[in-house]
Parts: sequence; C-alpha cells; structure tokens
Amino acid sequence: TQLLEQSPQFLSIQEGENLTVYCNSSSVFSSLQWYRQEPGEGPVLLVTVVTGGEVKKLKRLTFQFGDARKDSSLHITAAQTGDTGLYLCAGVNRDDKIIFGKGTRLHILP
Amino acid sequence: ETGVTQTPRHLVMGMTNKKSLKCEQHLGHNAMYWYKQSAKKPLELMFVYNFKEQTENNSVPSRFSPECPNSSHLFLHLHTLQPEDSALYLCASSQDSGLAGNEQFFGPGTRLTVL
Repeated sequence: TQLLEQSPQFLSIQEGENLTVYCNSSSVFSSLQWYRQEPGEGPVLLVTVVTGGEVKKLKRLTFQFGDARKDSSLHITAAQTGDTGLYLCAGVNRDDKIIFGKGTRLHILP
Repeated sequence: ETGVTQTPRHLVMGMTNKKSLKCEQHLGHNAMYWYKQSAKKPLELMFVYNFKEQTENNSVPSRFSPECPNSSHLFLHLHTLQPEDSALYLCASSQDSGLAGNEQFFGPGTRLTVL
C-alpha cells in the first residue's frame, strides 16, 4: 500500500516567518500535486510537479519534487495570514491512482 | 453558477434513512469523482466516472450507490449508513479521467453526520 506522510501535522507561526512542510513516501510517483483547502471549501490545486528535482514557484511559495520522485517540499517565505489552511499533497502513480497525504494544518498568527 | 457545486452542504441522517448527495459541474468536464474526507485520515477516492460510465470503485461498501445521469451531474445515494460514515464528501471534476495530466476541481463538499 502506497502512503504519503506529511509533516508536520500542525504548524502555527507568526506572520512574516518562513516555513517548510514535507511530503514523503517510500514509493515513486509519476507526478505530485499540492493543494490548499480552507474551512468549508474543497481543496484547490496549487501546483503539479512531474520531473525529479523540479522546482516551481508560485509567488512566495516554492515547491520541490525530490530527485527520486518519492518526496516533495513546500516552502513559504514571509508567511501571511491568508496562507492559513490545510495543505495536502497527492501523488499519482504509474497506474494513474491518486494517493493523498493527511495534510499539514497551517495557522499563521497576525 | 460556476465551478463545481454540491448540495446539501450539511446533512444529518439516521442509520435507517435514505438520502442523496448531489454534485453539478459547470466546467464542461467529462470526468467526475466522489471522495471521502474523514478526520485524521487521508482523502479517499471512492468512485470515478468518465463520460457517464463508472471506471473506478475503490472497494466502497454497497450502502453508497453512485449515479451519473450525464457528464454534468453526479449523485451519491446513501442508505443504512453507519456512524463511521460521518465525513465530508467531496465531489470533483476534470476534463478527462487521467489523473496525472488533468487538474481536478473540487466542490465545497457535503458535511454528513450519521446518528
């Protein structure tokens, strides 16, 4: 059974600080997606990474796919209160099956 | 309406009730999905429909019965549920059913409580 472990489960930091959250697996994925989910809403796709070692930037968010395509990280620079939410990673394997992690619940304090 | 809509947003039902969840997408997509999101568990894909045909059923108990009358509408019929079925049920759609190359758009979900 393929699993995606996300860490930390919870993170509460002050506005303006930097943070990194992680998504790890022992399995290889064809692609990996990051979502943000706000209370009362469904997840919204932030980015998809496909190539090992790939780095994508979305304003203050930097996403990296591990060289072996087994792990990924999301780094937020100068966090803002609007970044608060549940961050989910999801891997798509060679059989086109999608596996989600449990998520990191991020709270940015004003 | 735009995007993916779900009704009702909240539902409380007894174990002997029969109810249905509705999902509608206004994006012209061909694939639709039902997911279950429980506390402390990863998001679980339940069913996949592509061009109205069910292409995936991830060992979901028969008390959950999906229906896809057309590419824009998806239902989840519920009967004799258990308290552990309480969760947020999310609907999603994508242009086609290939998960690797297609972005999924999620609805806001139905928060289901089974008493």
